[in-house]
Amino acid sequence: DAMVIQNPRYQVTQFGKPVTLSCSQTLNHNVMYWYQQKSSQAPKLLFHYYDKDFNNEADTPDNFQSRRPNTSFCFLDIRSPGLGDAAMYLCATSREWVGGANSGANVLTFGAGSRLTVL
Amino acid sequence: SQQGEEDPQALSIQEGENATMNCSYKTSINNLQWYRQNSGRGLVHLILIRSNEREKHSGRLRVTLDTSKKSSSLLITASRAADTASYFCAITGGTSYGKLTFGQGTILTVHP
Repeated sequence: DAMVIQNPRYQVTQFGKPVTLSCSQTLNHNVMYWYQQKSSQAPKLLFHYYDKDFNNEADTPDNFQSRRPNTSFCFLDIRSPGLGDAAMYLCATSREWVGGANSGANVLTFGAGSRLTVL
Repeated sequence: SQQGEEDPQALSIQEGENATMNCSYKTSINNLQWYRQNSGRGLVHLILIRSNEREKHSGRLRVTLDTSKKSSSLLITASRAADTASYFCAITGGTSYGKLTFGQGTILTVHP
């Protein structure tokens, strides 16, 4: 009964070949996040959605795009992967904004991650 | 950067010992959260402490928060080999409202 499911778990692509990673949730949470985590580093936020309202972090490269066609699904598109994009990509959800009113209920639920290798 | 900074970067202990990890940050916060990550997996939420709280407990976990020093600590008592993982603090508040900003993490190894 996994609640945040990421596919694929492992993705190997060639330099410059587009990649799409998917995330689905059964929690009916309003907020979905994409984080990038490189080896031994902190997860770094790329995008987040409140419902369909999209929020792009200022330093997220243009090479990365995201789509959220409905509440349950969110996609991360990497248009032209470079060697520096090899990382674990983590999808997470929260019921409401973290840090907001009633924030005790607003923690992140993560998927297992998608590990991207770029050859 | 308002990212949390964790100390130590790596900690190695024997089963049964206590493990203490520290987190410092630079901005005002609404709350601070701790997460655990097993190797190659996603993160799992452990505990949340609000900015007006000083201490929280959950099972073998004890978290303290000192907003005057902008620091938090996570104590795991009577550690087990299964506690081996990376532990991250994350903050929300200030310009991080609505999102969590994670620290670099502490890699904990518990030897049987």
